Amino acid sequence: GIQVEQSPPDLILQEGANSTLRCNFSDSVNNLQWFHQNPWGQLINLFYIPSGTKQNGRLSATTVATERYSLLYISSSQTTDSGVYFCAVDLDSGNTPLVFGKGTRLSVIA
Amino acid sequence: SAVISQKPSRDICQRGTSLTIQCQVDSQVTMMFWYRQQPGQSLTLIATANQGSEATYESGFVIDKFPISRPNLTFSTLTVSNMSPEDSSIYLCSAGGGRGGYGYTFGSGTRLTVV
Repeated sequence: GIQVEQSPPDLILQEGANSTLRCNFSDSVNNLQWFHQNPWGQLINLFYIPSGTKQNGRLSATTVATERYSLLYISSSQTTDSGVYFCAVDLDSGNTPLVFGKGTRLSVIA
Repeated sequence: SAVISQKPSRDICQRGTSLTIQCQVDSQVTMMFWYRQQPGQSLTLIATANQGSEATYESGFVIDKFPISRPNLTFSTLTVSNMSPEDSSIYLCSAGGGRGGYGYTFGSGTRLTVV
């Protein structure tokens, strides 16, 4: 099956710093999403981004489908950005489940 | 994008008992998916639930332990049966995808602790 690798596994940032999270996937995909899981366990959908670049406030994401990777950028990090960031992909949106990477655990300290 | 209401949000259960988790979607969806997230781990797919047919289980998950119902296109339940402390996890349901461009959404999760 498809493999999803995320790096780094852990990241500690000082508040205000910028960071880049990476997601590599082993096959062509129909869909790629970035999620943030908050301390209460809720998964927040950040981006639906099978290709191209999107921005939402301090967060932006880029997927280069031909090279099978995606990047999540966090600028001017805040303590509320702490949590686990997951990348997930699927092969046939709506009919096949998302396959998750192991996540990047981000801690932003004041 | 689909909005999913999941309940209960958390529960503490005695070993040997069963818990049923419910997910209600605000629109009709063909497929629903159930995941388990063990402490400190990523999400693992338990099964895919297609309305009108039996759920399809992933390797390591069996129907007797995790029976799933899918009575219509907006609702599904997952039961965790004969629980042991190893079943303590977050359980999440998911739906959506398709060609709407919104991707999949998830219920808010059920945090289960078995004592």
